[in-house]
Amino acid sequence: AQSVTQLGSHVSVSEGALVLLRCNYSSSVPPYLFWYVQYPNQGLQLLLKYTTGATLVKGINGFEAEFKKSETSFHLTKPSAHMSDAAEYFCAVSDPKISNFGNEKLTFGTGTRLTIIP
Amino acid sequence: DVKVTQSSRYLVKRTGEKVFLECVQDMDHENMFWYRQDPGLGLRLIYFSYDVKMKEKGDIPEGYSVSREKKERFSLILESASTNQTSMYLCASSWGLINEKLFFGSGTQLSVL
Repeated sequence: AQSVTQLGSHVSVSEGALVLLRCNYSSSVPPYLFWYVQYPNQGLQLLLKYTTGATLVKGINGFEAEFKKSETSFHLTKPSAHMSDAAEYFCAVSDPKISNFGNEKLTFGTGTRLTIIP
Repeated sequence: DVKVTQSSRYLVKRTGEKVFLECVQDMDHENMFWYRQDPGLGLRLIYFSYDVKMKEKGDIPEGYSVSREKKERFSLILESASTNQTSMYLCASSWGLINEKLFFGSGTQLSVL
């Protein structure tokens, strides 16, 4: 069965500093990987996704993530944090081999709340 | 822009009541989903639907049912609400392919007293 581990339920960084949010997965086959962001009082929205091809994926708002198969990781980074990045971030994994219909096999991590220090 | 609308932002119900949570999407998506979000547990799938009148159980369907009579509307039903169903409920929709992104509503915070 697939699973996702997000290290650190809370992360604080100073404005302008590097953002690094960690995600490790377990899956029996090469998975599809996603990062979603949830701003206060809103639903989740997709930041970026990896399905196949280039392992460095660029998303919205300056975020990027790199799929590292040898480390079973998909960490999210942003070179310079902005106050507007304060939100909760969810990593998710989908096993394309066991899905019948689509996103029903998406497994979410427990989330990392990012706080930006002025 | 795609819009997924959940009918209530906050809802307070009493134990044993029948509760309806409504969700409407405006992009003709085939798939619709209900998740619950709890601190420290992330999002867990309750039910999903891939077509009108079709439904499939997710990871935690106990105590819930769903209805999808029209393509744009997906309802979550708590037959007899219990205090352990106090949670944030999120509706989502997507097109049919596995790697298509989910579009989420802004959530309904349900408190069962």
